[in-house]
Amino acid sequence: GAVVSQHPSWVICKSGTSVKIECRSLDFQATTMFWYRQFPKQSLMLMATSNEGSKATYEQGVEKDKFLINHASLTLSTLTVTSAHPEDSSFYICSARDRSTQYFGPGTRLLVL
Amino acid sequence: QKEVEQNSGPLSVPEGAIASLNCTYSDRGSQSFFWYRQYSGKSPELIMFIYSNGDKEDGRFTAQLNKASQYVSLLIRDSQPSDSATYLCAVNSAPTGGGNKLTFGTGTQLKVEL
Repeated sequence: GAVVSQHPSWVICKSGTSVKIECRSLDFQATTMFWYRQFPKQSLMLMATSNEGSKATYEQGVEKDKFLINHASLTLSTLTVTSAHPEDSSFYICSARDRSTQYFGPGTRLLVL
Repeated sequence: QKEVEQNSGPLSVPEGAIASLNCTYSDRGSQSFFWYRQYSGKSPELIMFIYSNGDKEDGRFTAQLNKASQYVSLLIRDSQPSDSATYLCAVNSAPTGGGNKLTFGTGTQLKVEL
């Protein structure tokens, strides 16, 4: 199947700093990528849909000014958590769509101190 | 109202048995259906997808779809301890998945016991 990578795999930062997470489709072009967040023992929560060359579509309740998404190319989408706070600590997972199927990256674990 | 429903479990089965995981969905326009497996602390990985009514087999896994009943299931034959994970059902309303997002169920935790 298609391969999606994420970087970094984990990050620890101080409260108030910004963190950028990269999502890449390695062997296919993805016009659409998705960003999810998952808290411990909870289900996946879709944050936003990222479309190459256009603005991301955010789910209700997700602050677009806090979670900045850039989908600059067909193989790269980035999520920047701005002014991170401890409550933003979570497991962030991206996925990329290859034709009809979504493939997930390995996730990025964020811990904000 | 949840759009995709799964029993959260845990579903416990003995090693070697058949595990049956079920999922119902509310959108009658749903066209494509996916099963993902998620190990604790890891991201979901695709097991299989199904578009047409009936059964689709891939190794030890069989997906079953009944659009009239709005029901999709996953059977795991000869269950192994390594199958212990959370299984996520996902539904997409577009015919080939283009343009729309997947709606996920909350997942069923499967435990395969020795």
